Amino acid sequence: AQSVTQPDIHITVSEGASLELRCNYSYGATPYLFWYVQSPGQGLQLLLKYFSGDTLVQGIKGFEAEFKRSQSSFNLRKPSVHWSDAAEYFCAVAGGSQGNLIFGKGTKLSVKP
Amino acid sequence: DGGITQSPKYLFRKEGQNVTLSCEQNLNHDAMYWYRQDPGQGLRLIYYSQIVNDFQKGDIAEGYSVSREKKESFPLTVTSAQKNPTAFYLCATRDRPNPHEKLFFGSGTQLSVL
Repeated sequence: AQSVTQPDIHITVSEGASLELRCNYSYGATPYLFWYVQSPGQGLQLLLKYFSGDTLVQGIKGFEAEFKRSQSSFNLRKPSVHWSDAAEYFCAVAGGSQGNLIFGKGTKLSVKP
Repeated sequence: DGGITQSPKYLFRKEGQNVTLSCEQNLNHDAMYWYRQDPGQGLRLIYYSQIVNDFQKGDIAEGYSVSREKKESFPLTVTSAQKNPTAFYLCATRDRPNPHEKLFFGSGTQLSVL
């Protein structure tokens, strides 16, 4: 069965430091992968997505993610974190019936001044 | 997302009561979805609809019902059979029900039990 694992429940980084959020997926075929961000009490917003081609994808707000098939990973990165990046981040794979998204449990990011 | 309106923002349910959450979209999207979010659990799919007058159960459909009589609307009813309804409910849409299409989300409804 398809699944997504986000190993880190909560991460705290200092403002200006680099960030990497981990995501591992389980899917038999070439996956469609997504990263979404959620501010408290709000819906989710798409940061970036990967379907094929270049394994390093660029997204909004300065985020990027790298698809590594050999490691079944799709980690999210940002070189320098801003206080406004504090939110919850969800990795997802389109692998359910009808291509529905399967979400990880999320990683909450806190940013220290 | 400005094109998806969920109401109300907060809802309280009494024991044995059915409540209905509204989701309206003006994006002209074919597919609509309902997700349930519990703290630390991610999002779980309740129901989805790929076209008007058709819908399918997701992973946790028990205790919920939906209808899709109009393209713009996909209301979710939380019935008294749902014993643990307290959660944040998110409605989402997709232009077409294809796996590479992005989901657009509403701002959610927080349901609590009195």
